[in-house]
Amino acid sequence: NAGVTQTPKFRILKIGQSMTLQCAQDMNHNYMYWYRQDPGMGLKLIYYSVGAGITDKGEVPNGYNVSRSTTEDFPLRLELAAPSQTSVYFCASSHYRVGYGYTFGSGTRLTVV
Amino acid sequence: TQLLEQSPQFLSIQEGENLTVYCNSSSVFSSLQWYRQEPGEGPVLLVTVVTGGEVKKLKRLTFQFGDARKDSSLHITAAQPGDTGLYLCAGGAQETSGSRLTFGEGTQLTVNP
Repeated sequence: NAGVTQTPKFRILKIGQSMTLQCAQDMNHNYMYWYRQDPGMGLKLIYYSVGAGITDKGEVPNGYNVSRSTTEDFPLRLELAAPSQTSVYFCASSHYRVGYGYTFGSGTRLTVV
Repeated sequence: TQLLEQSPQFLSIQEGENLTVYCNSSSVFSSLQWYRQEPGEGPVLLVTVVTGGEVKKLKRLTFQFGDARKDSSLHITAAQPGDTGLYLCAGGAQETSGSRLTFGEGTQLTVNP
């Protein structure tokens, strides 16, 4: 199984540009998440979804948008990129029970210049 | 907001030494998970503990959940270079994923040959 697939792996954006980070999972998980990871800051939740058509904000949603039209896909949209959005972005999915843990993608390293 | 504090933040030891990483909170968690993250990859689940006082072993790694379910520790015996990585603890307030996980900031472990 592929698990959670994220694309692209690396991207450089200019200030003010927009882009979409793609995330797809093949485990039929209802729950999906987007995190950003900054050095020494751990993982911060941006948005999450409990099923197709349902999304909600996490700790740091400003400057981002998400959609969940299918169970498999959960893209993250950055509008008007800013240097503060330079980070590594991880998508994850999970079973409804926390004990099964999260399955993470391999991340997208984004630099905004 | 539930917070998880990990200590130490950085740890550099020689191969064969033992070490303990701590994860503490003032909040009670329904479950506590430990992940390991290697450079360029997403975190990978090591273990989940759900019962106060529970101890789980994974080869040379021993995980313990505090009696009050507010803290956890990870002990590695006879560390090897392959144990190098970022160790993250994560707490779940409820049994279902709708509550989301709270992540600690991580402990960066380096095991030198």
